[in-house]
Amino acid sequence: AQSVSQHNHHVILSEAASLELGCNYSYGGTVNLFWYVQYPGQHLQLLLKYFSGDPLVKGIKGFEAEFIKSKFSFNLRKPSVQWSDTAEYFCAVSNTGFQKLVFGTGTRLLVSP
Amino acid sequence: DTAVSQTPKYLVTQMGNDKSIKCEQNLGHDTMYWYKQDSKKFLKIMFSYNNKELIINETVPNRFSPKSPDKAHLNLHINSLELGDSAVYFCASSPAQTRSYEQYFGPGTRLTVT
Repeated sequence: AQSVSQHNHHVILSEAASLELGCNYSYGGTVNLFWYVQYPGQHLQLLLKYFSGDPLVKGIKGFEAEFIKSKFSFNLRKPSVQWSDTAEYFCAVSNTGFQKLVFGTGTRLLVSP
Repeated sequence: DTAVSQTPKYLVTQMGNDKSIKCEQNLGHDTMYWYKQDSKKFLKIMFSYNNKELIINETVPNRFSPKSPDKAHLNLHINSLELGDSAVYFCASSPAQTRSYEQYFGPGTRLTVT
């Protein structure tokens, strides 16, 4: 069965620090990869997605992620975080066939001003 | 414009009651989903409908019954509510049932069973 691991459960950073959140998945076939963000009290919003092509994808709000197939990883990065980036970040995977998103357990990011 | 909307936003009820959560999308999408987010923020799919037909039914108690009157609506009815049903329920939609589309999420319904 597919699974997604996010090893950082809680991350605390100061503003302007760089961010990298890890995401690893277990599935041998072709996958689509997503990062969603959930701001406090709000719904999930798509940050970025990878379907094919350039493994370095850029998303909204200065976020980017790199798909490394050999490592089954899709880590999220941002060079300089802001206080407004405080949120829960979810990595998700879907495979061929019917689209069923499998989510990681999420990483809670707290950015202190 | 609201893309995926859910009602109610909050729902507090007692054990044993029956309740429904409604979801509507105005994006013209063919596929809709229900996800459950537990107290630890873990998100898991419950159901998926494509053009009013059930295509994904995860291991969910049969007290949960989705109903899709048309492809723009996917409601979730829950019978005999239990304490463990307390969670945030998210509706989502995507253009089609294949993997190649992102999903758009609604604002969530926080269900509290007392």
